Amino acid sequence: NAGVTQTPKFQVLKTGQSMTLQCAQDMNHEYMSWYRQDPGMGLRLIHYSVGAGITDQGEVPNGYNVSRSTTEDFPLRLLSAAPSQTSVYFCASSYFSSGRTGELFFGEGSRLTVL
Amino acid sequence: AQKITQTQPGMFVQEKEAVTLDCTYDTSDQSYGLFWYKQPSSGEMIFLIYQGSYDEQNATEGRYSLNFQKARKSANLVISASQLGDSAMYFCAMREPRDDKIIFGKGTRLHILP
Repeated sequence: NAGVTQTPKFQVLKTGQSMTLQCAQDMNHEYMSWYRQDPGMGLRLIHYSVGAGITDQGEVPNGYNVSRSTTEDFPLRLLSAAPSQTSVYFCASSYFSSGRTGELFFGEGSRLTVL
Repeated sequence: AQKITQTQPGMFVQEKEAVTLDCTYDTSDQSYGLFWYKQPSSGEMIFLIYQGSYDEQNATEGRYSLNFQKARKSANLVISASQLGDSAMYFCAMREPRDDKIIFGKGTRLHILP
C-alpha cells in the first residue's frame, strides 16, 4: 500500500535552477496539499487543491507553482530556486466530503537544498 | 495573525507521567476541525487525534485525549502515562472552514526522560 509517494527524497539545486517535486497518492483522495517545514516555523502551507483542475494558494505560495490535472498527482514546481527555498517539503492528501477535509496522510518528505 | 499558537517550544517530562501540550486557535467560524500530529526524529508525520467543533465529547485515542475548551479556543493534547517513544515533535493543526485549508502551529518538542 503506497499511500502518498514523493520524489525525489533529496535534491541539491543551484540558485536559479528549476525543478519539480512529484507527489502521487493512490487513495483516491480529493484533497492534496504541499507544506514546507523549517526549524522553528512548523509546517507552512504552500498550495492546496480540493480536486482535479482546482488549486489555491496557501500561506507561502510565492516562488512555487502547482497544477492538478488528475486526482492522483499534485506536482510542485520551483521556477527559479532561491536559497530561501531550502527546506523539507511534505505532500499530504485527505478525503474531502461535505466541504470538510479528513485527517492528512503525509508523504515521507523531500529535503531540498538550494546553494 | 497566528491562527494556531503552541506556546511551549520544548518540554521535558519524566517517563510515566502525564503531559499536556498546549494549543490555542483563532477563528470566527462555528464549524472547524482540530488535529494533532506527531513527528518522531525519523521525520514522518503521524496523525494522532481529531476534534470537531460540534463534537460534544472530548476526543480520545488510546493514551491520547484532547482537552477541548471551545469558549477559550483551546485544544490541548493530553498524553497519559508517557513513554520514551513519545519523545517527538507535536503539531496542532486546524481546518479553516471557509476554504478547507489545514494550518499548523509551530510545534512543541517533547522529551521524555527515563
